Amino acid sequence: SAVISQKPSRDICQRGTSLTIQCQVDSQVTMMFWYRQQPGQSLTLIATANQGSEATYESGFVIDKFPISRPNLTFSTLTVSNMSPEDSSIYLCSVEANLNTEAFFGQGTRLTVV
Amino acid sequence: RKEVEQDPGPFNVPEGATVAFNCTYSNSASQSFFWYRQDCRKEPKLLMSVYSSGNEDGRFTAQLNRASQYISLLIRDSKLSDSATYLCVVTLSGGYNKLIFGAGTRLAVHP
Repeated sequence: SAVISQKPSRDICQRGTSLTIQCQVDSQVTMMFWYRQQPGQSLTLIATANQGSEATYESGFVIDKFPISRPNLTFSTLTVSNMSPEDSSIYLCSVEANLNTEAFFGQGTRLTVV
Repeated sequence: RKEVEQDPGPFNVPEGATVAFNCTYSNSASQSFFWYRQDCRKEPKLLMSVYSSGNEDGRFTAQLNRASQYISLLIRDSKLSDSATYLCVVTLSGGYNKLIFGAGTRLAVHP
């Protein structure tokens, strides 16, 4: 299993500002994943973060809006840039123990943009 | 068409009832299948994997029909603690575990 510490757990931010979310894993993992879950909706993958290379973004998500860092095998950050109310959502990081097995999630960051 | 579709519910059932959730997926190349449980304001957690032969874990039974691209979850003898949102999840081929989530089915078990 993997234990993920994600912070902040929640924040209320002014539009136009940026928020950086951090995820720390208790073991080394090759890939970390960042998801968004909008109210009443399913989780949507934003990007996959590999250590030592640029993140791979899914359709509809761009690096300028959601820059990601992956400085080592246990840590990653996601920044939500130039926020607008439409960015209000829950953001979750995730890792998998092994290929095609259980995924573990951080506790989520509940973001409200006002 | 959504890649993974679920009935959003809510399913309101009394304790002890049997309830079944269905899920369909659109990509025939999907490789692995799971049911996750998400409690209110919490992160998703794996409930069980789903295999072609069907699998059971206590009161929970999951089945997969690859030909129909259909997954099911059966909960017997519902408990109050089963109240949650159940997420149908599939993974695609491609070398890593890219999870595709359904929107979830809400279950509310009442006394």
